Amino acid sequence: GAGVSQSPSNKVTEKGKDVELRCDPISGHTALYWYRQSLGQGLEFLIYFQGNSAPDKSGLPSDRFSAERTGGSVSTLTIQRTQQEDSAVYLCASSQTLNTEAFFGQGTRLTVV
Amino acid sequence: GDSVTQMEGPVTLSEEAFLTINCTYTATGYPSLFWYVQYPGEGLQLLLKATKADDKGSNKGFEATYRKETTSFHLEKGSVQVSDSAVYFCALTGARGAAGNKLTFGGGTRVLVKP
Repeated sequence: GAGVSQSPSNKVTEKGKDVELRCDPISGHTALYWYRQSLGQGLEFLIYFQGNSAPDKSGLPSDRFSAERTGGSVSTLTIQRTQQEDSAVYLCASSQTLNTEAFFGQGTRLTVV
Repeated sequence: GDSVTQMEGPVTLSEEAFLTINCTYTATGYPSLFWYVQYPGEGLQLLLKATKADDKGSNKGFEATYRKETTSFHLEKGSVQVSDSAVYFCALTGARGAAGNKLTFGGGTRVLVKP
């Protein structure tokens, strides 16, 4: 596609349920990032994939969070046993190569009730 | 690790005023520097970038110069418009090789321009 695509755009889930958020990066982009943005806050780094290297998971807030990237393309962020504090906009971005700009998707707004 | 520090907002100013948003960074080697902007209700988009020392990035009347000696990348615009109201993020990618080049953001600065 022309840009980074995220789905769903909005997700409301009950506390304790698992959710999966999907990101389709721009074709050919080797780097993929997940960030979280809480209301009125900055960007919180979650995880970073670069080519075939081991992902940088240093930003994942707890072991309830995990992410994978299949075939170097699509990525799924999974949150298990969701909590109300997980409510935020989850942003995905991809970039073509080292030190180039990242293109962001529109985000998935997650609301845990 | 790499870090970016930018001035806290909100910054409120009148139309046609001069805008400066300070950004300083800590990184190994020679990172690439970026300013991203998030307009109300929209996604993040790149505003401008600079990839080496003394480079000046510019777009939409905004400018920022990569200052290696002061590790800064301050954003400026000479005459702001109401449509410039947004949240501005300073960011960098490191220079330590493929595994170390994640995009690191500052905390964002909200700018409100009043008519």
